[in-house]
Amino acid sequence: QKEVEQNSGPLSVPEGAIASLNCTYSDRGSQSFFWYRQYSGKSPELIMFIYSNGDKEDGRFTAQLNKASQYVSLLIRDSQPSDSATYLCAYPNYGGSQGNLIFGKGTKLSVKP
Amino acid sequence: GAVVSQHPSRVICKSGTSVKIECRSLDFQATTMFWYRQFPKKSLMLMATSNEGSKATYEQGVEKDKFLINHASLTLSTLTVTSAHPEDSSFYICSARDLVAGTYNEQFFGPGTRLTVL
Repeated sequence: QKEVEQNSGPLSVPEGAIASLNCTYSDRGSQSFFWYRQYSGKSPELIMFIYSNGDKEDGRFTAQLNKASQYVSLLIRDSQPSDSATYLCAYPNYGGSQGNLIFGKGTKLSVKP
Repeated sequence: GAVVSQHPSRVICKSGTSVKIECRSLDFQATTMFWYRQFPKKSLMLMATSNEGSKATYEQGVEKDKFLINHASLTLSTLTVTSAHPEDSSFYICSARDLVAGTYNEQFFGPGTRLTVL
């Protein structure tokens, strides 16, 4: 069964610190990975995707992918209280319902001022 | 770009009534849209995959006669919760894939519809 594992948290970091969010996945054939941010009571918002091994940077966010270890992470530099949300890791279910995404349960991040 | 809207954002109804939720891709075409449900403090649960011009594909355990899906065009999918009951109260969210630009299967979510059944 295809799965995505995330630590549910909560992960608490002080303002200005680096927040590190991690995700492992079971499908070795997965090619692309997504990080969504979901504020309480809101729908998920796509913040980054990555499809190559290594790092991908976008502003304060860096996604890291290691396909050999089946591991993907998201680093948030200079964390702000506004980053407090649940972060969902996902990848496409190629054999499933026409490309639906398989989501982890999410990691709740709390950035303390 | 890649904006998905949902209407209504919030609905309160009496038990036994039917509620229709619309999902629109505003600036792109989506042959495939997805409907999710999320209970408080729980993870997203995929309910069904909506395909333009054909029948929806429902996930195991989701009643297709209870949750009617119609994908009438490349920009519109609707979810109708028929004979709603209090246990159907939840946050319903749709997402869509960009047919042209969605090379990596990324999905964009609508803002969600909060349904409360009294």
